Amino acid sequence: EVQLVESGGGLVQPGGSLRLSCAASGFTFSSYWMSWVRQAPGKGLEWVANIKQDGSEKYYVDSVKGRFTISRDNAKNSLYLQMNSLRAEDTAVYYCAGLIYVIRFGWFDPWGQGTLVTVSS
Amino acid sequence: SSELTQDPAVSVALGQTVRITCQGDSLRSYYASWYQQKPGQAPVLVIYGKNNRPSGIPDRFSGSSSGNTASLTITGAQAEDEADYYCNSRDSSGNHPFGGGTKLTVL
Repeated sequence: EVQLVESGGGLVQPGGSLRLSCAASGFTFSSYWMSWVRQAPGKGLEWVANIKQDGSEKYYVDSVKGRFTISRDNAKNSLYLQMNSLRAEDTAVYYCAGLIYVIRFGWFDPWGQGTLVTVSS
Repeated sequence: SSELTQDPAVSVALGQTVRITCQGDSLRSYYASWYQQKPGQAPVLVIYGKNNRPSGIPDRFSGSSSGNTASLTITGAQAEDEADYYCNSRDSSGNHPFGGGTKLTVL
């Protein structure tokens, strides 16, 4: 069974740090680009970051550049998101997702169930 | 611009056809993908590429594209199709923004 399981969410104070993890199983993790997508309470989906299969390319939404770092460990079938200098507006459910690229398009599949990050004092 | 624009809400009578649209400059170069999300659940891919459905997605879902507009069409909408729908596309910088989402109500 294809599965992505996020962990590491929780309550953190503004300015604090948190590291999210995503454990993959049931598919060849090392063959996929991987992504983080978040959703603030009552809001829409927001793409956060992508990482290439070998980690050589990374892309971030402007609002997290310099604060968040995406990484992966293919030997452990795991994806990570290191979040520093957290702000109230980073409060969201964070989803891990596989990203498949073809020449003219890409798509997110599979998806995890998400982990909630709350930034509040 | 890498922004994708969707109508916030659309409604359709049970059994009728509805089209949900997504506009953006990146759609002139890249196909969109579409995601269905029901309350409290993770998003589910429903359409990708020119008009491809993942296994398990009913054939009443279809996609199309013209110019800067991508469309998701549901032919014969069912009650279980009531959900939020999001489009997504990459841009030339390697980013992958989502549209703002469309809330579909089945009457």
